[in-house]
Amino acid sequence: DAGVIQSPRHEVTEMGQEVTLRCKPISGHDYLFWYRQTMMRGLELLIYFNNNVPIDDSGMPEDRFSAKMPNASFSTLKIQPSEPRDSAVYFCAIAGNTEAFFGQGTRLTVV
Amino acid sequence: SQKIEQNSEALNIQEGKTATLTCNYTNYSPAYLQWYRQDPGRGPVFLLLIRENEKEKRKERLKVTFDTTLKQSLFHITASQPADSATYLCALPSYSGAGSYQLTFGKGTKLSVIP
Repeated sequence: DAGVIQSPRHEVTEMGQEVTLRCKPISGHDYLFWYRQTMMRGLELLIYFNNNVPIDDSGMPEDRFSAKMPNASFSTLKIQPSEPRDSAVYFCAIAGNTEAFFGQGTRLTVV
Repeated sequence: SQKIEQNSEALNIQEGKTATLTCNYTNYSPAYLQWYRQDPGRGPVFLLLIRENEKEKRKERLKVTFDTTLKQSLFHITASQPADSATYLCALPSYSGAGSYQLTFGKGTKLSVIP
């Protein structure tokens, strides 16, 4: 967990509000992934970056979701406007070419 | 895209017994397969990686097998302990084009080891 710091750990927001999730990975890994986890669907890949460049965002559910990685040490996932069905745990993970290292996640609740 | 199925959502076993978890995939056989452990409120943690040319891999009380003919991996925990209670996920990589690498996860199996 120490390799990837996510903030906030918990977020409760009202429907329609903008939500920004943050990820600070340690350097030295080529890939950064954003996952969403729910009981129903498990871990779903939303988007991933290679050397800070977005490679595949086909997992992003709607245009309300966007992600950026301005440098190797920071990435954001934004939901605007948020909806109750966005409630889930969002994970950021980094990887070289094999195993992934996950942050502790952000539990998002949209009421 | 790869579809991954882990045989059961939950598995209860008695302490000291061997737990066996199954991971099946549907499409091409990947170069390797990974197993992760996830505890409540935490992110998945990498446990083991097994390559396609390896039939079996061990790490302490853990053993993983990889059968590319059956498109299946088995994950065993021998002499299970209550501390082994967690959700275990298998993951497969996929590559498509330059710079394209992603990990697809199964939904996981929640293991409960009963004292």
